[in-house]
Amino acid sequence: DTAVSQTPKYLVTQMGNDKSIKCEQNLGHDTMYWYKQDSKKFLKIMFSYNNKELIINETVPNRFSPKSPDKAHLNLHINSLELGDSAVYFCASSLPSLARNEQFFGPGTRLTVL
Amino acid sequence: GENVEQHPSTLSVQEGDSAVIKCTYSDSASNYFPWYKQELGKRPQLIIDIRSNVGEKKDQRIAVTLNKTAKHFSLHITETQPEDSAVYFCAAREANNAGNMLTFGGGTRLMVKP
Repeated sequence: DTAVSQTPKYLVTQMGNDKSIKCEQNLGHDTMYWYKQDSKKFLKIMFSYNNKELIINETVPNRFSPKSPDKAHLNLHINSLELGDSAVYFCASSLPSLARNEQFFGPGTRLTVL
Repeated sequence: GENVEQHPSTLSVQEGDSAVIKCTYSDSASNYFPWYKQELGKRPQLIIDIRSNVGEKKDQRIAVTLNKTAKHFSLHITETQPEDSAVYFCAAREANNAGNMLTFGGGTRLMVKP
């Protein structure tokens, strides 16, 4: 069974477009995350979200917004895409911080902005 | 916020040799330090973690050491095998981090030559 899944796996789009990446976890976790991995492999947290609060990394542009329809899903919406948004985006999930901390990552979505 | 530095950025070893990757962190309040392995084109996966109340932890061929005073921690892989070739990331989590967000180091590309 797939623990954390993302769709699509690849996304190619033009500058200025709006796009979404979907994420689902079937682990029963309370907290979900979005990470951005750039071409140099730097892995950077963008958001942390549980059913109580959204924590935003202050460096993330407000063109990026996470949306959670329910506890098992955290989708990433990106408005007015820019060339610098090209990267691999990973969704992850974990139990609450006071419990086991392991974060389980999805397979990633490679976004290419032309 | 937390800042994690990781060295070296690339490491090449002969099969059977040991490999050591080092990380330093800036926030003395950080209390959780995981290591993730990312194979080419795959998702990051947790291989070992350590909490601030422990100085060393072992799991078969891998071990992690933590020096809280110096604010650095290291990953040790013994008897390396070609399948250990991957990018390894260290990370740190601040104790008062409500979102359980991890700050990652820049990654180390380990190449094990047969």
